[in-house]
Amino acid sequence: QQQVKQSPQSLIVQKGGIPIINCAYENTAFDYFPWYQQFPGKGPALLIAIRPDVSEKKEGRFTISFNKSAKQFSLHIMDSQPGDSATYFCAASKEQGGKLIFGQGTELSVKP
Amino acid sequence: NAGVTQTPKFQVLKTGQSMTLQCAQDMNHEYMSWYRQDPGMGLRLIHYSVGAGITDQGEVPNGYNVSRSTTEDFPLRLLSAAPSQTSVYFCASSSYGYKDMSLAKNIQYFGAGTRLSVL
Repeated sequence: QQQVKQSPQSLIVQKGGIPIINCAYENTAFDYFPWYQQFPGKGPALLIAIRPDVSEKKEGRFTISFNKSAKQFSLHIMDSQPGDSATYFCAASKEQGGKLIFGQGTELSVKP
Repeated sequence: NAGVTQTPKFQVLKTGQSMTLQCAQDMNHEYMSWYRQDPGMGLRLIHYSVGAGITDQGEVPNGYNVSRSTTEDFPLRLLSAAPSQTSVYFCASSSYGYKDMSLAKNIQYFGAGTRLSVL
């Protein structure tokens, strides 16, 4: 079964827009929620991560919003740029450094 | 600073052939894992290891074998390749088992991937 569900599958925004990618999880034992960014031909790289004891985490133009009661979390990209065009994956784990369960991925395209 | 190195980058196999995908890391990480990436399915865990001599199955282990004889290396073996194993394979590593709650610890680092086609 898909333990982490991600939407949308693809997203197109104009430069300066605020794309939002959503994820929902089922297992309440998950304790660590990272987002990974992947450029074509490259491996995923950690972008930002959050633990469930906070509702929001911001790093530069990237923000994670976390709703523990709804078992949902989302990635917001402020002032998006063409260089942000990539595939984004949410993930969840019961422990940092351990097994990651990934969402299906969102292909983001930021138009100039 | 090599990080996680995967070889080869590309491979074409015929059905029934065997091969080994290599993964090496130079960060002295205890945890290593293999994922496969398929369109619309994200990354799915194949096998993982929490240290030398210790391996376990992930979500999609069938058709794959692993071993971990050293901390640095974690090869993935396809014993008899099938077209369903056509995919992009990623190896990852991280430190593991620390109680430090800082989000800066235990980050998983991924290799650049191996693109495998089975005809």
